[in-house]
Amino acid sequence: AQSVTQLGSHVSVSEGALVLLRCNYSSSVPPYLFWYVQYPNQGLQLLLKYTTGATLVKGINGFEAEFKKSETSFHLTKPSAHMSDAAEYFCAVSAGGTSYGKLTFGQGTILTVHP
Amino acid sequence: DAMVIQNPRYQVTQFGKPVTLSCSQTLNHNVMYWYQQKSSQAPKLLFHYYDKDFNNEADTPDNFQSRRPNTSFCFLDIRSPGLGDAAMYLCATSRGTVRATEAFFGQGTRLTVV
Repeated sequence: AQSVTQLGSHVSVSEGALVLLRCNYSSSVPPYLFWYVQYPNQGLQLLLKYTTGATLVKGINGFEAEFKKSETSFHLTKPSAHMSDAAEYFCAVSAGGTSYGKLTFGQGTILTVHP
Repeated sequence: DAMVIQNPRYQVTQFGKPVTLSCSQTLNHNVMYWYQQKSSQAPKLLFHYYDKDFNNEADTPDNFQSRRPNTSFCFLDIRSPGLGDAAMYLCATSRGTVRATEAFFGQGTRLTVV
């Protein structure tokens, strides 16, 4: 069984400030971890993913995340927020392989960026 | 260059009137998924097809059915929509192999039940 917990349903930052969105997971098998972004009335766009190998993964739009097995965490960061980053962010886990798209999502974090 | 296309983007249906949502893909992926996302909630998997094999999630209501006539198309049928079925419905695809890289999502269909 797998589960994801996102700490903080709303995060607000100033433009140019650090963005930190927290995600902790639980998985009985080696996890495949993802961050997706969703704009209003849109589908999900993949920001980045961890499968195996390097634990610090870089994604699109300047985002990155670090897989920490000991902490069962996969927090998303961006050094400098931009107004266009305002959206909802979902952390997700899957068992990978043929179950790659069977995703268990966290509850989401709405990111607000103010001038 | 849309790869997973959902039609329509917005659908209004009457309480109890059957409705069908459509998903097509140009990726030739053998796995297709349907997720339901209610307002301010996380997406929740309803079912998926691995080629022609249908896999229902245990808690998916019987009111929800799906068809996959070929690799490219998959349909979500709601036999008797209730007010509680109003949601965004997301279709996704992935390669059904250990070399899968990611799941690709469509833009979603926002269903309103009146």
